[in-house]
Amino acid sequence: GENVEQHPSTLSVQEGDSAVIKCTYSDSASNYFPWYKQELGKRPQLIIDIRSNVGEKKDQRIAVTLNKTAKHFSLHITETQPEDSAVYFCAASPDFGNEKLTFGTGTRLTIIP
Amino acid sequence: DAGVIQSPRHEVTEMGQEVTLRCKPISGHDYLFWYRQTMMRGLELLIYFNNNVPIDDSGMPEDRFSAKMPNASFSTLKIQPSEPRDSAVYFCASSLPPPQYEQYFGPGTRLTVT
Repeated sequence: GENVEQHPSTLSVQEGDSAVIKCTYSDSASNYFPWYKQELGKRPQLIIDIRSNVGEKKDQRIAVTLNKTAKHFSLHITETQPEDSAVYFCAASPDFGNEKLTFGTGTRLTIIP
Repeated sequence: DAGVIQSPRHEVTEMGQEVTLRCKPISGHDYLFWYRQTMMRGLELLIYFNNNVPIDDSGMPEDRFSAKMPNASFSTLKIQPSEPRDSAVYFCASSLPPPQYEQYFGPGTRLTVT
């Protein structure tokens, strides 16, 4: 089955700086890669996703890059703000649909004011 | 839409008791997922349904766990008998079929087994 590794497990950055979280996956059949944000005590929520036919996707201060050859993808947050503090999860899913997301272990991001 | 609804939000029970968690997916969503979240193991998929049919239950930890989806608007996850190591937050999520991939999570049920 799929195995998703996520690094780092914790990350602290100064407000206004950039944050980068990296994930690797094992199953070459995976073609859908979402990122979820989970604030303390809340539910995970999708913030951005990318499919294998795209190398990069951007949404305001958030961007995701995908390297299928190397089987890794990354989340980039620019101009970080205190409300970006949360746990971020990457995930991977096979080609034929959205079922069976395999999640990474999460990165606790802390923005230092 | 009210989103995915889960009940109860908190459950405290004694070891050996039966626990039933409930989920109402978003209307029109064909997929329903049950996850368990712990500090040690992170977010794990337990089982998922498509059109009320269980598709993959390989994540269900053992026979003490069972899940049903009797209709498109209701699912249950049952633990019998419960054990302290079952203490976790259990999330239900639902989604539309492809190409709509986003999974919408419910607020979760925090289960404590003493």
